Amino acid sequence: SQQGEEDPQALSIQEGENATMNCSYKTSINNLQWYRQNSGRGLVHLILIRSNEREKHSGRLRVTLDTSKKSSSLLITASRAADTASYFCATDSLRGNTGKLIFGQGTTLQVKP
Amino acid sequence: NAGVMQNPRHLVRRRGQEARLRCSPMKGHSHVYWYRQLPEEGLKFMVYLQKENIIDESGMPKERFSAEFPKEGPSILRIQQVVRGDSAAYFCASSPAAGGAYNEQFFGPGTRLTVL
Repeated sequence: SQQGEEDPQALSIQEGENATMNCSYKTSINNLQWYRQNSGRGLVHLILIRSNEREKHSGRLRVTLDTSKKSSSLLITASRAADTASYFCATDSLRGNTGKLIFGQGTTLQVKP
Repeated sequence: NAGVMQNPRHLVRRRGQEARLRCSPMKGHSHVYWYRQLPEEGLKFMVYLQKENIIDESGMPKERFSAEFPKEGPSILRIQQVVRGDSAAYFCASSPAAGGAYNEQFFGPGTRLTVL
């Protein structure tokens, strides 16, 4: 089964609304990272949150991490059409860690102008 | 500081041919990771290399796939005798260190392999 699983799988909102995506994982982690991928393009690193952190902000992004529930959320405030993309969470396992990242299936976000 | 570079960006091969994908990590990064992304899916880890060493190849198919990261030059992911199921986007990522709380990985633009 997947280490990281996002929900919802797809999200459609109007410009200006907030978008919230969730990610769950199974094993203990060093950190959790969120990436954005525009259609047919590479991944853009958004934010890294360490296992001893609970919340982190970067511009319009807010990430939370609850290690007791093994879950994270990504909030994009005041969304824009340019935020339309797929969003992935990725974790690196604390156990036997070589640094490899395990990705979820992603949430596809559509922001309508 | 240039980001992670991959070439070619697009590669078309016929079944049975060989595919070579190249990755140049960011300056100062000595850790390289390869991932594969099938259509409509997330990325799957394939292999992790440091200079001249394969550290973790637990995600690599047992046959036809190999990777290297020589002392000089880019990292190479090689797929021999390609089949249609190898069609995917292959991403390389680099980081300055492995593991730990600060393992931020930076991704290249990917190579999109199409096998006819």
